[in-house]
Amino acid sequence: NAGVTQTPKFQVLKTGQSMTLQCAQDMNHNSMYWYRQDPGMGLRLIYYSASEGTTDKGEVPNGYNVSRLNKREFSLRLESAAPSQTSVYFCASSVTQRYTEAFFGQGTRLTVV
Amino acid sequence: KQEVTQIPAALSVPEGENLVLNCSFTDSAIYNLQWFRQDPGKGLTSLLLIQSSQREQTSGRLNASLDKSSGRSTLYIAASQPGDSATYLCAVRPGAGSYQLTFGKGTKLSVIP
Repeated sequence: NAGVTQTPKFQVLKTGQSMTLQCAQDMNHNSMYWYRQDPGMGLRLIYYSASEGTTDKGEVPNGYNVSRLNKREFSLRLESAAPSQTSVYFCASSVTQRYTEAFFGQGTRLTVV
Repeated sequence: KQEVTQIPAALSVPEGENLVLNCSFTDSAIYNLQWFRQDPGKGLTSLLLIQSSQREQTSGRLNASLDKSSGRSTLYIAASQPGDSATYLCAVRPGAGSYQLTFGKGTKLSVIP
């Protein structure tokens, strides 16, 4: 019963470095999402993938790119990390993007120094 | 733009008390509303999903209601326990546009033994 698995759990980057956050779900869900959570700001959608082969921007996409590698995996890439990207990142998935329950991973805590 | 508000931001109650958490949203055109629990440093755990055609959902000691016309939902927790201490988030899925979840900032609940 793994659900949504994110790696790594913690990461420290220097300004300008790049990295990829990995997410995989084993529930055969069609839709996947990346959120960031910041104190006082709540959860904000970065990118989402309604189905395999599609990706769309969310509320705060600047500085990020995504890849829907296959139905199970959805990665988030920071090409040139900035201190403003210090946050907790959550991946989520759902059967469809409209009617069904969303399930979240345990999060990646990223610090950019 | 859909806005979701949760009041109060924090709540402290003695063990055994019944309590209600509130969630309000500005646009009543929604597909569904979902309640989550988040423990410190952890991911979001789905508690209840209410479709727009439903009035309430129950799971154990939890009961969530939805009044779509007034833009309100409540999460009722019966006989609270210290293990219920967490942050509770509500999120609405709009009925048009990108259909992506919009989150409130949460209510931090502390149940005092």
